[in-house]
Amino acid sequence: GNSVTQMEGPVTLSEEAFLTINCTYTATGYPSLFWYVQYPGEGLQLLLKATKADDKGSNKGFEATYRKETTSFHLEKGSVQVSDSAVYFCALLIQGAQKLVFGQGTRLTINP
Amino acid sequence: EAGVAQSPRYKIIEKRQSVAFWCNPISGHATLYWYQQILGQGPKLLIQFQNNGVVDDSQLPKDRFSAERLKGVDSTLKIQPAKLEDSAVYLCASSFERGNTIYFGEGSWLTVV
Repeated sequence: GNSVTQMEGPVTLSEEAFLTINCTYTATGYPSLFWYVQYPGEGLQLLLKATKADDKGSNKGFEATYRKETTSFHLEKGSVQVSDSAVYFCALLIQGAQKLVFGQGTRLTINP
Repeated sequence: EAGVAQSPRYKIIEKRQSVAFWCNPISGHATLYWYQQILGQGPKLLIQFQNNGVVDDSQLPKDRFSAERLKGVDSTLKIQPAKLEDSAVYLCASSFERGNTIYFGEGSWLTVV
């Protein structure tokens, strides 16, 4: 089946720390991979995506590389800010069916 | 470009009452989705429309949930009667027919008391 497993949260870091949120997936075929972010009281916003193996998605200082050999799509940022505090969701898009399967989310809190 | 519009943003109802949520997708997007997000969990797909036809409703609790997209544009999700466990955020999303990016609205936050 298709599934996404994310690093257990919550994660608490100090401002300017390095961030990694792990994400691994199981899928039939070759899915596209996404990171969505949800700020308090808001809906999901697309953060970045990668559509094929070895692609790197990036946005707002965040990066993630589609690793087919390890079935992973880990989210990284070199220096986090307080404004990055949110819940982060890793997801895969089932090709053909055109629907997203989400991980359980990782809550990130950045302290000043 | 306008995003996915949803209303109402917040709703509090008593159990056994009914509620309806409305969604207007991004212009030109043929595919529309309703997801349910329970607190602390990832979103779960309830129903997927392609134009005005249902593509996938396998996770929709059909004894109490219904959804329609009569003209292939906006959509309504209804819950009747509501249960306490229906308290969640109901997210509407849309995409181009063969698009690989799905865009979400801000969600409708339901509390059943």
